[in-house]
Amino acid sequence: QKEVEQDPGPLSVPEGAIVSLNCTYSNSAFQYFMWYRQYSRKGPELLMYTYSSGNKEDGRFTAQVDKSSKYISLFIRDSQPSDSATYLCAMKAEYGNKLVFGAGTILRVKS
Amino acid sequence: GAVVSQHPSRVICKSGTSVKIECRSLDFQATTMFWYRQFPKQSLMLMATSNEGSKATYEQGVEKDKFLINHASLTLSTLTVTSAHPEDSSFYICSARRIGATNEKLFFGSGTQLSVL
Repeated sequence: QKEVEQDPGPLSVPEGAIVSLNCTYSNSAFQYFMWYRQYSRKGPELLMYTYSSGNKEDGRFTAQVDKSSKYISLFIRDSQPSDSATYLCAMKAEYGNKLVFGAGTILRVKS
Repeated sequence: GAVVSQHPSRVICKSGTSVKIECRSLDFQATTMFWYRQFPKQSLMLMATSNEGSKATYEQGVEKDKFLINHASLTLSTLTVTSAHPEDSSFYICSARRIGATNEKLFFGSGTQLSVL
């Protein structure tokens, strides 16, 4: 079993839709939860990070962490064609350097 | 924002040759850089942690003699794939942590697509 599971998609939505991206994990030691956006042939860009459980909102993006279910989500409101990219979840324990990434979900927003 | 430059973006080489990939932090100093490998439709897998002025720390299963890492300055880390073989073909990405920043705020290079014939 992988430490982090993420549906690779692709997920296709019309412009303006609300997008829900999700990851599940098995390691209860994870405390930091991040979402990265990766455009084709580019390095990942940090979108959101959350420590422990709860919600965090930044503009059109909302990150949710449910540690009891070992489940995290990223919501994108009013999705735009420019949001089309691969979205990677990543997690880290309290101590140590290692980020563990999900496989990434390909998102396509159609105009 | 902080910029990490990775070069080359793409390299094609013959089996048996060595390939060097550079990772530079352009507008900040980085004591720690990380090297990842990414296969199509798969996760970024951490290969090694590179610390300025000291030996790199390799993840389990990564051959340190095959993937040589040098972090000679606060702005440059290099990954050399020695005697490359077709199974080494992959997308390699570096990331850098700014001095004083938490590990969550990593800045990534654009990646290097290595194809070994």
